[in-house]
Amino acid sequence: ILNVEQSPQSLHVQEGDSTNFTCSFPSSNFYALHWYRWETAKSPEALFVMTLNGDEKKKGRISATLNTKEGYSYLYIKGSQPEDSATYLCAFKWGDKLIFGTGTRLQVFP
Amino acid sequence: DGGITQSPKYLFRKEGQNVTLSCEQNLNHDAMYWYRQDPGQGLRLIYYSQIVNDFQKGDIAEGYSVSREKKESFPLTVTSAQKNPTAFYLCASTNRGGTGELFFGEGSRLTVL
Repeated sequence: ILNVEQSPQSLHVQEGDSTNFTCSFPSSNFYALHWYRWETAKSPEALFVMTLNGDEKKKGRISATLNTKEGYSYLYIKGSQPEDSATYLCAFKWGDKLIFGTGTRLQVFP
Repeated sequence: DGGITQSPKYLFRKEGQNVTLSCEQNLNHDAMYWYRQDPGQGLRLIYYSQIVNDFQKGDIAEGYSVSREKKESFPLTVTSAQKNPTAFYLCASTNRGGTGELFFGEGSRLTVL
């Protein structure tokens, strides 16, 4: 059974703090790594799809890096805002399937 | 607007009854997926379909059935054989050959009494 692990499980930060989370995945047979943001009462939305070792992607204050050789990806949020509060999911592409981690739940307090 | 529609949002059923969750997309996507979420767990794949009239079991297919008669529709039936059906169910779709990012519906919460 493939394992995709995320840490920490949950995180509480003050507005303005920068934060980061980790996603660990199998380092063999890599195809793609996805990050999704899931806000309460909404659908999960894709943030990034990363395919190349060393890839770095950025969307506003959120960025992600990828290391396929050691099997990890970091998601960074610079200057967290209350609207960043959500669960952040990573998912490892395995053939036609996406295997999800359990997510990191972020709460940003004003 | 293009998107994925799941219905119903909330569903209550008695133990032993089959229930069908609807998933419709107008994104012209080839592939569709059903995931289940339980507290403290990640999204787990139930069934997926890459093309019409074809589907494959995911990691937790036991007690579920699906059909894919139309490209837009991928209904999920939770049968009485599913031992613990109370959960949150998410449907998703994607274009094959693209980035593979999933587009999700808003989910259906099934409670079995």
